Amino acid sequence: FMLTQPHSVSESPGKTVTISCTRSSVSIASNYVQWYQQRPGSAPTTVIYEDEQRPSGVPDRFSGSIDRSSNSASLTISGLKSEDEADYYCQSYDSNNHIVVFGGGTKLTVL
Amino acid sequence: QVQLVESGGGVVQPGRSLRLSCAASGFIFSYYGMSWVRQAPGKGLEWVAFIGYDGRNQYYADSVKGRFTISRDNSKNMLYLQMNSLRAEDKGVYYCARDPKEWSEMYFFDYWGQGTLVTVSS
Repeated sequence: FMLTQPHSVSESPGKTVTISCTRSSVSIASNYVQWYQQRPGSAPTTVIYEDEQRPSGVPDRFSGSIDRSSNSASLTISGLKSEDEADYYCQSYDSNNHIVVFGGGTKLTVL
Repeated sequence: QVQLVESGGGVVQPGRSLRLSCAASGFIFSYYGMSWVRQAPGKGLEWVAFIGYDGRNQYYADSVKGRFTISRDNSKNMLYLQMNSLRAEDKGVYYCARDPKEWSEMYFFDYWGQGTLVTVSS
């Protein structure tokens, strides 16, 4: 299966942005969706796991959700800061076939 | 604190082999499944392989199946990736990453290493 993300999004500081991630087959609710942030030159870090859970240390400005009607997941970042500028990847899996899939990544620019 | 430190990257000719290592510390290594994830220059993330906490289960992406082997030594807190028959498209940064829950296969990651760069070039 595939996970499709927009190539890039941009928004102004203080605003809210939402990044989508659409699964190509099987319900989005079948397996958890995760979101990873990757700043330039750095390793990825987890900002959302199990669709909507936030690891300790991740600000509550970050939230995740799934929408069964559109078979998609979303990462929403409110109160945008310049430090949020990064690439964001969604990720899910097929536990029956032991496959892990990443979306292509979305470059967030905070103008 | 959890630390994952990769090593072993470098420049290798097409068709040759390379072994990557990942040293784990700050947690009970033998309790957690581990994966390798790679990133080609300027490209996105690609999962490569997973190994269960006890080493019995290994799973691979189709792109590396039959060429790469993931293994672990729980007595040394080490994860490995043996890469054979390397191709130009294998070039990239290789990260080791930890499964988030003990004694399970969750297929996602809570901690990542800083990565090691593999370059395949003649």
